[in-house]
Amino acid sequence: DAKTTQPPSMDCAEGRAANLPCNHSTISGNEYVYWYRQIHSQGPQYIIHGLKNNETNEMASLIITEDRKSSTLILPHATLRDTAVYYCIVTETSGSRLTFGEGTQLTVNP
Amino acid sequence: DTEVTQTPKHLVMGMTNKKSLKCEQHMGHRAMYWYKQKAKKPPELMFVYSYEKLSINESVPSRFSPECPNSSLLNLHLHALQPEDSALYLCASSPGQFQPQHFGDGTRLSIL
Repeated sequence: DAKTTQPPSMDCAEGRAANLPCNHSTISGNEYVYWYRQIHSQGPQYIIHGLKNNETNEMASLIITEDRKSSTLILPHATLRDTAVYYCIVTETSGSRLTFGEGTQLTVNP
Repeated sequence: DTEVTQTPKHLVMGMTNKKSLKCEQHMGHRAMYWYKQKAKKPPELMFVYSYEKLSINESVPSRFSPECPNSSLLNLHLHALQPEDSALYLCASSPGQFQPQHFGDGTRLSIL
């Protein structure tokens, strides 16, 4: 599986955009980039995923660089409820195995 | 609200006890998963079931025994656990490969 690297922690002001980076320089051509988050005392929650193109849904946007070696998750208007650990995961080719790294603890401040 | 329901939410057991964790989903998903999460650590995959058959076992000790009686239900049978097995056990499901996993909120297990 391709390994991912994320900053251990980030802070963001409420109402501002939160941009969470992820490096996955060894990603293979058929591996997807997935983002999940885990709010304290809850199970992980799926946010978004992509292969090559940028993606947007009601929660966030995913920007993948042209060489696919890095990506950025964007929460356009962060709220206090977005405080969580955010995991960037590159799936192995069968898609069945999610290997979680240490993630980024995002703290949204009032 | 979570669409994957795990019971019980909390479980305390002794090292000689036998207990089971239960996971249920009614989304028609054909893949189900067990993860283990130690405090302040990321989840680690334990087992994957696809179409009710075990497809991945991540070298989990035999004191953990998974079972998938039908497409909606996943059990994890526990026997002779050790104190280091104390953790949050998470269940997830997905429609199939390359599709997002939906997680329950877990069972917090404490081994005395």
